[in-house]
Amino acid sequence: QMQLQESGPGLVKPPETLSLTCTVSGGSISNILYFWAWIRQPPGEGLEWIGSMYYSGSTFYNPSLKSRVSISGDTSKNQFSLKLTSVTAADTAIYFCARHGGHVAAQLDSWGQGTLVTVSS
Amino acid sequence: SYVLTQPPSVALAPGKTARITCGGNIGGRSVHWYQQKPGQAPALVIYYDGDRPSGIPERFSGSNSGDTATLTISRVEAGDEADYYCQLWDSSNELYVFGTGTKVTVL
Repeated sequence: QMQLQESGPGLVKPPETLSLTCTVSGGSISNILYFWAWIRQPPGEGLEWIGSMYYSGSTFYNPSLKSRVSISGDTSKNQFSLKLTSVTAADTAIYFCARHGGHVAAQLDSWGQGTLVTVSS
Repeated sequence: SYVLTQPPSVALAPGKTARITCGGNIGGRSVHWYQQKPGQAPALVIYYDGDRPSGIPERFSGSNSGDTATLTISRVEAGDEADYYCQLWDSSNELYVFGTGTKVTVL
């Protein structure tokens, strides 16, 4: 059974860079059947897709965040990572990593438990 | 950009049927639905409009017609209390869009 686990600092100072890693077990991020995604949820608010990557290195980003976001994978560690630059308090959120199916429009069928990142000086 | 509008809340007694709508120029796009209980990650309950992942009860069903998708929960139970989100892929803008979310309360 696939499991995803987010890790990274819980506190980031503005305007530094937020960096998170998602470790995947029970499956490979090189599997051609899947995309890998980051989603966030400000406390008490709804879900926002940040971006997705494919094993080949192709990436799709939310246009509202595109200038600040980078998602990449490390197949040797079976991990994929998120970098969000120039953070502000508005980036405070629970960050989830997730898997989605065989093409970019497919459902998010496995999720990590999420990690809270607070942006504050 | 896309906005998927859901009712903020639905409250009903056990055993009743909950219908949660997701509207906003869906226009034939496939919709997925997620359940999120407090303190937990979202979990997929319906994909491609009406398919159920393994382990999801048949009480959960979905439909999509015109510009509205609907998640139906039959014979609601206390354990169904959660926030529910619809989601689709906006191919024009290459953007995953989530609905505004609906809180289901079982009275």
